[in-house]
Parts: sequence; structure tokens; C-alpha cells
Amino acid sequence: GAVVSQHPSRVICKSGTSVKIECRSLDFQATTMFWYRQFPKQSLMLMATSNEGSKATYEQGVEKDKFLINHASLTLSTLTVTSAHPEDSSFYICSAHILAGVDTQYFGPGTRLTVL
Amino acid sequence: GESVGLHLPTLSVQEGDNSIINCAYSNSASDYFIWYKQESGKGPQFIIDIRSNMDKRQGQRVTVLLNKTVKHLSLQIAATQPGDSAVYFCAENIGTDKLIFGTGTRLQVFP
Repeated sequence: GAVVSQHPSRVICKSGTSVKIECRSLDFQATTMFWYRQFPKQSLMLMATSNEGSKATYEQGVEKDKFLINHASLTLSTLTVTSAHPEDSSFYICSAHILAGVDTQYFGPGTRLTVL
Repeated sequence: GESVGLHLPTLSVQEGDNSIINCAYSNSASDYFIWYKQESGKGPQFIIDIRSNMDKRQGQRVTVLLNKTVKHLSLQIAATQPGDSAVYFCAENIGTDKLIFGTGTRLQVFP
């Protein structure tokens, strides 16, 4: 149980284009999902908290107009990187918050974004 | 700012030996800690967790120790196997459902 999927797993795009990444909880409902960014050989940095039916909460320094988050259902959150630039190239990982006695987050497999 | 950090960036162990990965945290209000394993190109995988009202918790081949006095967390892996090779992150929950991740330790297992 507690499987989280991401699509696509890899994406290459041209500078200036927008890319949408999907995060799905496959066997449970998640009222809260989180989006992280991870640069090579670095730790995960929280970008934003995605709440179903409401606006996302962004961490300090993360541009909400550049990283659009939509959490339209209890099983799907999307992250859209708008007007992508090479410095946005990174590994984007989502997680879903499940309350099961402990406040555990289960992570998706990640999406490798490369902006040319 | 407050952060979670690790002492050792890389740990090399021989197959069959026990591994100990350490983590220091600075937020005294944290009440929940998790260890994650991340293999190359994959998302973090939950290993084991512990609440602040405990000082030890055991799983299959893994044990997490929590020392709140010195704000120290450790992950012990018994009989380390090649499949344990990965980067290990500790994370703390600061009471808002958010997780703060440590810098990570790469575990290398050699025959």
C-alpha cells in the first residue's frame, strides 16, 4: 500500500517552455501532498505544500508564479514549471501525507527535468 | 536557521558488517523523526521512524536510536548487504507536517 506515482519520469524541454508533472496517490487519498526539488548530490528541499481544494503554500524563496501547483482531487497534484530555464533542471519529487498512526510521507519515484 | 545535519558524507563498510549512520538535529521542538533510503534516480524510501517519546525502535535489520539530550539520531543496519548501498537521509517533523531533511550520507558496501 501507500504507493505514489509520478509522470513523466523524465522530461527534456527547451528553454522558455512549460512542463507539467503529475503526482498521484494510487491506493489512498491524500489531502496533502508535498513537492520537493533535489539537485545532484544534495538533499531534498521542500518547495511547497499542496492542499486539496485550496491554494498551495510555498516555501520562502520559491516563486509561486513560476511553479504552479494544482491539487484538484484527493489523488492528484500537479506541478507546472512555467517558462523553464536551464537552472530549473533538477529532480522533482512529490510525496503524499498519510495519517496512519504516524505522520508519514510516502514519496514518488521522482521526475528528472532537463531544460536545454 | 535550525537544520538537520549529518556528520559523515560517505560511509564505506564491508559486506556483513554493521553500519551506523548518524544525524544531528537542532530543533528541540521536533517530535517525529524518519530515516529514508534513496537509491540513484529514485525517490526516498521510508525505512523506519521514531517519536520523541521513545529512544529506540527496531525494525528488520535496522534500529533507530534517538538521544534527545544531545539531539542525535542514528540508524544502525545489521549485516550490511550490497543492496543497502544508497544515500540515507534523516528527516525531522517540526510539528507542521513538513519534513526537514538532513544532508545525507552515502553508504557504500564492498565485498
